[in-house]
Amino acid sequence: KQEVTQIPAALSVPEGENLVLNCSFTDSAIYNLQWFRQDPGKGLTSLLLIQSSQREQTSGRLNASLDKSSGRSTLYIAASQPGDSATYLCAGKTVSGSARQLTFGSGTQLTVLP
Amino acid sequence: NAGVTQTPKFRVLKTGQSMTLLCAQDMNHEYMYWYRQDPGMGLRLIHYSVGEGTTAKGEVPDGYNVSRLKKQNFLLGLESAAPSQTSVYFCASSYPLAPSEQYFGPGTRLTVT
Repeated sequence: KQEVTQIPAALSVPEGENLVLNCSFTDSAIYNLQWFRQDPGKGLTSLLLIQSSQREQTSGRLNASLDKSSGRSTLYIAASQPGDSATYLCAGKTVSGSARQLTFGSGTQLTVLP
Repeated sequence: NAGVTQTPKFRVLKTGQSMTLLCAQDMNHEYMYWYRQDPGMGLRLIHYSVGEGTTAKGEVPDGYNVSRLKKQNFLLGLESAAPSQTSVYFCASSYPLAPSEQYFGPGTRLTVT
């Protein structure tokens, strides 16, 4: 069974700092890994999706990497801004027959201080 | 496109009452999912569907039933609500083939007293 862990549970950084959020997973037979952002009381917004055959994806100031052999993914945020404050969730997708199941980590709550 | 929508946004139930949560998507996705989110536990899959007329159990299916009578709709039912079902419920949908990115609705906050 896939298990996904995110450490730390909370992170506070000053504005402008580059930061890395960590995600680890137990099953290396991962189909893809998706990073989400969740604002308080809101739904999930997909940020980046990395296929199992890829090593990284980039979107603006965000860069996500995937290392299947070590069971790790990282989300790099460059030049952080107060608007980046949110909870960041990673989720690994495994495949069994026709099923495509996402297993979520419990998230990292990021606060960027002005 | 509205994407994934959920009805209602908030609901308070008493123990033993029943209700149905509605999820609708306008992206012609084959796959649909229901998750619950509890503090400190991330999201957990309740049930999912790989196509119209099909449903399957996820990680935490007990106490819930689902139906997928139309491709665009996925219903989650609570027959006899319990306080342990107090949670935020999210619906999602995706295409079956890669990249099969999941798109989420805004959530339904349910409180069972």
